[in-house]
Amino acid sequence: GQQVMQIPQYQHVQEGEDFTTYCNSSTTLSNIQWYKQRPGGHPVFLIQLVKSGEVKKQKRLTFQFGEAKKNSSLHITATQTTDVGTYFCAGREGGGADGLTFGKGTHLIIQP
Amino acid sequence: DTEVTQTPKHLVMGMTNKKSLKCEQHMGHRAMYWYKQKAKKPPELMFVYSYEKLSINESVPSRFSPECPNSSLLNLHLHALQPEDSALYLCASSQESSSAPFSYNSPLHFGNGTRLTVT
Repeated sequence: GQQVMQIPQYQHVQEGEDFTTYCNSSTTLSNIQWYKQRPGGHPVFLIQLVKSGEVKKQKRLTFQFGEAKKNSSLHITATQTTDVGTYFCAGREGGGADGLTFGKGTHLIIQP
Repeated sequence: DTEVTQTPKHLVMGMTNKKSLKCEQHMGHRAMYWYKQKAKKPPELMFVYSYEKLSINESVPSRFSPECPNSSLLNLHLHALQPEDSALYLCASSQESSSAPFSYNSPLHFGNGTRLTVT
């Protein structure tokens, strides 16, 4: 079955440093979605990427979808304490009939 | 604040109890989901309803019984649970296209979850 690998599992950064999390699928994805979950909260949808090679930006966040639609990344520039949380990628195999498969998530810890 | 409402927020139950988790959305979404999430783990899909019909059951034990009374409501009935079933149970909905079968490509809107403890 489809697997979505996400690294790193944990990332400690100093406030102001950049952060990147990577997602890799064993199969071609029809789209990839990114979610953020604050400690004690629920996952909140951030963005969806659909096209090969797509790049989208949301303020300090940059999302990329690979040319082969098997990998994706989320990059945060100049992290702030409000960025703390777990970032999940979630993808669905192209042509499949199942729901989204979530990556294991990257837990971002920011030291002031 | 979330547009998907889950009750109760917390639930403690014994292994012989019967309880129900409730979820409600008024966004007109036609797909609704139950996910289970353990601490520091990703959400795991349990059930998917599309147009009030069960479309995906991810081999969930029968002690979990979903129900979709109408397009806005989703319940999860619990009976004879085990301590390892303790987790955060998340409801979600998504706006799928009007054509069937659903592609399940739309973003998920999650509720705040019910934190369940089985003693």
